[in-house]
Amino acid sequence: RKEVEQDPGPFNVPEGATVAFNCTYSNSASQSFFWYRQDCRKEPKLLMSVYSSGNEDGRFTAQLNRASQYISLLIRDSKLSDSATYLCVVNNWEYGNKLVFGAGTILRVKS
Amino acid sequence: EAQVTQNPRYLITVTGKKLTVTCSQNMNHEYMSWYRQDPGLGLRQIYYSMNVEVTDKGDVPEGYKVSRKEKRNFPLILESPSPNQTSLYFCASSFRDRGQTQYFGPGTRLLVL
Repeated sequence: RKEVEQDPGPFNVPEGATVAFNCTYSNSASQSFFWYRQDCRKEPKLLMSVYSSGNEDGRFTAQLNRASQYISLLIRDSKLSDSATYLCVVNNWEYGNKLVFGAGTILRVKS
Repeated sequence: EAQVTQNPRYLITVTGKKLTVTCSQNMNHEYMSWYRQDPGLGLRQIYYSMNVEVTDKGDVPEGYKVSRKEKRNFPLILESPSPNQTSLYFCASSFRDRGQTQYFGPGTRLLVL
């Protein structure tokens, strides 16, 4: 079983739609959680960190459920520019600042 | 400009011909790491370094070597490349403290024939 699992998609949505991605992780020792965005095999870039209390950044909302070991990302009012691969990432501090990546979920926003 | 640079960006080579991919960062980060990305598998850690002269294996270290003689540089060495090392490689760096944001280089596409 992979340590971080995501639905690979693709999610094909029209502009203006709301879309949600889910992710589960298996290592209960994981301490930090993130969503990264990756465009067309370019370098991953941090989208947002994820906290137990939930956090929001504009149209993006992330949630963490430690009991269920579940992370989510909600994108409201999708834009064409949101088309990308979204990577769910956990950080296990026992190996320094090691990041463990999910395989990614592809989002395609169409006009 | 704060950045992580990698060279070369693209490389085609043949089996067994030693190669080095360089990585350099200008942010005074202690922590540096190499990942490879393959379709359906996500990014997997190859090696990491917590500071100068301190390196350790990640999840897929076989066939790779690294060194950390200076804080800013963390080269990845393939002594005898094989076709299964064809991949997209990313270098990343961050401060050493837990949970610090990692910054990624632009990636190196390697094809081993």
